[in-house]
Amino acid sequence: IAGITQAPTSQILAAGRRMTLRCTQDMRHNAMYWYRQDLGLGLRLIHYSNTAGTTGKGEVPDGYSVSRANTDDFPLTLASAVPSQTSVYFCASSDATGDGYTFGSGTRLTVV
Amino acid sequence: QKEVEQDPGPLSVPEGAIVSLNCTYSNSAFQYFMWYRQYSRKGPELLMYTYSSGNKEDGRFTAQVDKSSKYISLFIRDSQPSDSATYLCAMIFPSGTYKYIFGTGTRLKVLA
Repeated sequence: IAGITQAPTSQILAAGRRMTLRCTQDMRHNAMYWYRQDLGLGLRLIHYSNTAGTTGKGEVPDGYSVSRANTDDFPLTLASAVPSQTSVYFCASSDATGDGYTFGSGTRLTVV
Repeated sequence: QKEVEQDPGPLSVPEGAIVSLNCTYSNSAFQYFMWYRQYSRKGPELLMYTYSSGNKEDGRFTAQVDKSSKYISLFIRDSQPSDSATYLCAMIFPSGTYKYIFGTGTRLKVLA
């Protein structure tokens, strides 16, 4: 089934630990995005990539890094997790026309 | 002032009711407007997409855009319990980067 796969589904992480959230798409979409979703704040863009080899900062990039080595994969890394990074993380992708995103099912991350 | 404002709800309606969900926005440069539906513990899924002012219908769903008032609406006719979800509006600048601005979402509950 075409779409976006995120892993892990959920994770409890000790503060200070490094963590990579994985995102893989099989639709050959050029653009990919990472959002975090928090109650009352909605979806906020962390980082994005318009095409393989390029990345850009979104609204809330601090504490996060991304890479885009190929079209399909867009991992998000928390270098040293803090409790304020407790959130639900969604990966999304879109084709060149930008006609709507396809979202993954999310990673529920708790930093303690 | 947020760029996109959306009443968080919750909105509870009886089965069969007509539901009206709304967003206001502040930046007249927005040109593409979308509605996403998000079930609990799932990723958002694209419901409706519209570019211009006016109405667009898809089954029981109608998306309405009023650019002069900076106001968009989603109407659901003959609402069903399966429509119970959070509905997010999203909009985008015609800048080529396809970065969307999302509303915080309105939680809808349709009572059987």
